[in-house]
Amino acid sequence: DAGVTQSPTHLIKTRGQQVTLRCSPKSGHDTVSWYQQALGQGPQFIFQYYEEEERQRGNFPDRFSGHQFPNYSSELNVNALLLGDSALYLCASSFTSGPPYEQYFGPGTRLTVT
Amino acid sequence: GNSVTQMEGPVTLSEEAFLTINCTYTATGYPSLFWYVQYPGEGLQLLLKATKADDKGSNKGFEATYRKETTSFHLEKGSVQVSDSAVYFCALTHYDKVIFGPGTSLSVIP
Repeated sequence: DAGVTQSPTHLIKTRGQQVTLRCSPKSGHDTVSWYQQALGQGPQFIFQYYEEEERQRGNFPDRFSGHQFPNYSSELNVNALLLGDSALYLCASSFTSGPPYEQYFGPGTRLTVT
Repeated sequence: GNSVTQMEGPVTLSEEAFLTINCTYTATGYPSLFWYVQYPGEGLQLLLKATKADDKGSNKGFEATYRKETTSFHLEKGSVQVSDSAVYFCALTHYDKVIFGPGTSLSVIP
C-alpha cells in the first residue's frame, strides 16, 4: 500500500513565475491538507480539500490556490512567486470519517525561488 | 488562538543520556496531541499521540503524557541513540488541521 506521494521532489523557479505541486493521498483517504515549512520552522497550515472543495484555509494569500480531483489527488498552485515562498511543501492525507489525528504526511516538495 | 510552544534547541546529548523536550499548548476544547519527528532530508513521521487527558503515548522508547492541568505534553526517552538525531515537533489538532510547534533539533553524539 503506497503512502502519500508528492511530485516533484525538488523544484527551482524564478521570482514572479507560477508553480504547481502534486499530491496523491494514501489509499482510502479522501481529505488532503497542504503545509508550508520554511527552513528551521514548523509546518504552517495552508488549506485542506475534501470532496473537491476547500474546507479550511490558513493565513496564506490568494496567490496560493488548490484543487482536488475526483480520485482525491490534489494540486497546490502558487502564482507570482516571491523569494519568501522558498520552503518545503508538505501534503498530508486523512479519512474524513476517521480519527482526526490520523494524518499521514508525504516526503514533501522542496521549492527554491531565485 | 491555538498554539504550541516548545523548548528551543539545538539540544546536544551523549548517547544513552536521558532526553526531555518540553512542550506546552494553548487550545480551545479538547485537542489531540502529537509528537512528530523529521529526519534530515525527509518528511514528517508521527512518533506518538494522545487523544485525551492523562493518556500516555509511547513509541520506540519515547513517551509523552497529556497533562490538561498544566497544558503540557513533554517528550521523554530514557536512553537516546545516535539514530535519534532529528528535529522533533510537538503538535495539536484543531478541526482536522495540525498546528505545529517550531521544532527542537536533537543531536546525539557517540
